[in-house]
Amino acid sequence: KNEVEQSPQNLTAQEGEFITINCSYSVGISALHWLQQHPGGGIVSLFMLSSGKKKHGRLIATINIQEKHSSLHITASHPRDSAVYICAVRPSNAGGTSYGKLTFGQGTILTVHP
Amino acid sequence: NAGVTQTPKFRILKIGQSMTLQCAQDMNHNYMYWYRQDPGMGLKLIYYSVGAGITDKGEVPNGYNVSRSTTEDFPLRLELAAPSQTSVYFCASSPPRTVMHQPQHFGDGTRLSIL
Repeated sequence: KNEVEQSPQNLTAQEGEFITINCSYSVGISALHWLQQHPGGGIVSLFMLSSGKKKHGRLIATINIQEKHSSLHITASHPRDSAVYICAVRPSNAGGTSYGKLTFGQGTILTVHP
Repeated sequence: NAGVTQTPKFRILKIGQSMTLQCAQDMNHNYMYWYRQDPGMGLKLIYYSVGAGITDKGEVPNGYNVSRSTTEDFPLRLELAAPSQTSVYFCASSPPRTVMHQPQHFGDGTRLSIL
């Protein structure tokens, strides 16, 4: 079983719909990242969370440390949101340092139709 | 402000050939990483570096080598290309250790096919 699991693996939506992508992890973490990868390949960081909730435009990310779970929400989805969304965690490493290393989920492929 | 620059963007190699994937960053980041991304799989860490002259293995280092002679550059070398190394390779960097909880900055990737 992977340390980071995302669901769903594929998601198709109509423009305007509210979208939720889930991420569950099995290790202690110091931070969780949400990344976006567009067709053509480039990866950009959307959010980095260690607690609570963050919002940027139509994107909202939440994390529940006790339940080891995070969600990425997209409100009023648009075709330009079509991309692969990747959850990654920075494992906590008591007594040492992880040197910023991340463990990645397999990604969620989102397609938004007009 | 270039960020993380990877070259080449695409390459086709024959089995047994060697090549170097180049990665450079202009943000004065201490930490640099090489990942590979295979279809349906999460990114896997190949090698990482915490500063010039310091490198260490990640999850999937076999068949690869790295060096870090400067803060800016972190090349990845494939010595004897094998079909299993067909993948998309990403280089990333992040700020110095003293800056807590900073995101990694990714290059645009190198798509490599071994035939």
